[in-house]
Amino acid sequence: AQSVSQHNHHVILSEAASLELGCNYSYGGTVNLFWYVQYPGQHLQLLLKYFSGDPLVKGIKGFEAEFIKSKFSFNLRKPSVQWSDTAEYFCAVKRGAGTASKLTFGTGTRLQVTL
Amino acid sequence: GAGVSQSPSNKVTEKGKDVELRCDPISGHTALYWYRQRLGQGLEFLIYFQGNSAPDKSGLPSDRFSAERTGESVSTLTIQRTQQEDSAVYLCASSTPQSNNEQFFGPGTRLTVL
Repeated sequence: AQSVSQHNHHVILSEAASLELGCNYSYGGTVNLFWYVQYPGQHLQLLLKYFSGDPLVKGIKGFEAEFIKSKFSFNLRKPSVQWSDTAEYFCAVKRGAGTASKLTFGTGTRLQVTL
Repeated sequence: GAGVSQSPSNKVTEKGKDVELRCDPISGHTALYWYRQRLGQGLEFLIYFQGNSAPDKSGLPSDRFSAERTGESVSTLTIQRTQQEDSAVYLCASSTPQSNNEQFFGPGTRLTVL
């Protein structure tokens, strides 16, 4: 069965520190990859996505992620975090290219940014 | 335009009762998905509907769970004889091929089974 692993469950960083959250998946075929963010008290929203093309994708609020096919990874990065980035981050994988099918989510990483 | 809406936002029920959760997808979105998020866990897929095709029910955890969708509009998730382990946030999403089937999520329904 397809699975998605997020290795960091809880990350605490000071403002201006750099961030990298790991995400690995197990499916070997064509995939679409996503990072979602859930700010406290808010609903899930898309941070960035990869469908095809340039494996380095840029999302909102200065986030980026790199798809490394050989490593089955899609790690999320941000050079300098802000207090407002405190949230829970979910990696998700969908089989196929642009088709309607389920997302398989990782268990999430809770990011806490301190002042 | 309007996003995905869900109702109620919160539902508290007693063990053994049935509950119905509603999802209104974005207008024109042909696919609709239900997920569950239990405390401290990621989202689990439950079921999805795609146009007139048979729904993918592979994520439903037991026969107490069922869902319906009328055409390409509203969907209802029904949980019969609720158990305490059903307590979770139930999320609905919708998508359209016009946006590569990127899923847009609603705010969720928080279900608490006492």
